[in-house]
Amino acid sequence: GDSVTQMEGPVTLSEEAFLTINCTYTATGYPSLFWYVQYPGEGLQLLLKATKADDKGSNKGFEATYRKETTSFHLEKGSVQVSDSAVYFCALSGSNTGNQFYFGTGTSLTVIP
Amino acid sequence: DAGITQSPRHKVTETGTPVTLRCHQTENHRYMYWYRQDPGHGLRLIHYSYGVKDTDKGEVSDGYSVSRSKTEDFLLTLESATSSQTSVYFCAISPGLAGGADTQYFGPGTRLTVL
Repeated sequence: GDSVTQMEGPVTLSEEAFLTINCTYTATGYPSLFWYVQYPGEGLQLLLKATKADDKGSNKGFEATYRKETTSFHLEKGSVQVSDSAVYFCALSGSNTGNQFYFGTGTSLTVIP
Repeated sequence: DAGITQSPRHKVTETGTPVTLRCHQTENHRYMYWYRQDPGHGLRLIHYSYGVKDTDKGEVSDGYSVSRSKTEDFLLTLESATSSQTSVYFCAISPGLAGGADTQYFGPGTRLTVL
C-alpha cells in the first residue's frame, strides 16, 4: 500500500545552518506530496506541496522537489532560524487512495541560537 | 487559515465514561477526518466522512464511533474510554478533489486524558 518514510529525528541545528529532512514514498499511480509543520501545542499547518513529478513546492524559504525517479520529496532550507523549531511531517495523497492521506512519523527540529 | 474548531480543547475523564469530541468547519468541505497523534506513531486515521451520514473506518477505529448529521459538524465518540485512548485528537477537512489533488487542513487539536 501507499506509505511515506521520513528521516528519524530529533534534529538539532545552529541558527543559519542548512536543513535537509529526507522523505521517500511508496505509491501506485501519481500521488501529490506535502510537507506539514506542527508548532508546539498547535495543529498541523500546510507548509508546501507538489502535485506532479519535477514540481518544486516552496514557502517561507523552505523548498522540496518531487522526484519520481528516486520517489523522494526532501525538505530543504538554506538558513534556519530559531522560529523554525517544530515537527515536520511528510505526507502523500494518492491518485487512488480515496482522498486518504498517508503521513510520515514526523521529524522534530530544534534550532539553537 | 481554514475555519476549523475543535471542542473541547482539553478534557480529563475516567475509564469507562463516554466522551464526545466535536469538530466544526465553516469551509463547506466535503471530507472530514479524525486522527490521533501519539509519540512514535505520527498521525493515525481513526474515521473519516465523505458526506453527510457517509463515514468509513480508518486504521485505528476500534473503540471509536463517528457521526455526521450536518456538513459542518463531525463528532467522534469514545463509547467507554480506556487509558489507551489518552492522546491528542486532530480533526482535518478537505474539499475532496479527485486524482490526488486534495489538500487537508487541520484543527487545533483536543488533548484527552483518560485516568
